[in-house]
Amino acid sequence: QVQLVQSGAEVKKPGASVKVSCKASGYTFTGYYLHWVRQAPGQGLEWMGRINPNSGGTNYAQKFQGRVTMTRDTSISTAYMELSRLRSDDTAVYYCAREREIHDQWPFIDYWGQGTLVTVSS
Amino acid sequence: DIQMTQSPSSLSASVGDRVIITCRASQNITNYLNWYQQKPGKAPKILIYAASSLQSGVPSRFSGSGSGTDFTLTISSLQPEDFAPYYCQQSYSTPRTFGQGTKVEIK
Repeated sequence: QVQLVQSGAEVKKPGASVKVSCKASGYTFTGYYLHWVRQAPGQGLEWMGRINPNSGGTNYAQKFQGRVTMTRDTSISTAYMELSRLRSDDTAVYYCAREREIHDQWPFIDYWGQGTLVTVSS
Repeated sequence: DIQMTQSPSSLSASVGDRVIITCRASQNITNYLNWYQQKPGKAPKILIYAASSLQSGVPSRFSGSGSGTDFTLTISSLQPEDFAPYYCQQSYSTPRTFGQGTKVEIK
């Protein structure tokens, strides 16, 4: 069965960086895009970006350009999201999520990680 | 970027009610529109993809319609487990923007 297992909660000080991991199992890691979505406390879903695990190619939301880096290690089927220069409003649950397509069209997210709470506080 | 606007932001309804949530895209996204439900403390769950296709395992009381810029999610007869926030998302292009969410609450 498909699983995405994320690393544990983090507490960081403003200005620091955080790196969240997402280990995939139960499917061919290089066959599906992985997305990162965050959710601040009591707020909605915010798309951060995606990585093509096959090529390593990335697309980032403009808001995070220059602060976010998404990488992967295909040898261990794991994706990473690093966010730098953290601020208090980066406090959120960060999700990795697999996107699939139907007949090479109509992408949608079908599996999510359990989420990683990142708290930014001095 | 494509902006997604949901309405209403919240609604109160009773078990058995018919509920309709709308989502509008800032430009034509054909039928590249998904709907997710999120239970408290959990990751979102896909309900509808390609505007009107029901994901396997999702109850048939959920349905989606629309194309172009205007879409709806309908719950034909609200059940106790359906009280939750719902989000639309466009997958026409990146960034994959979400609507701000609609919280369905118990009346």
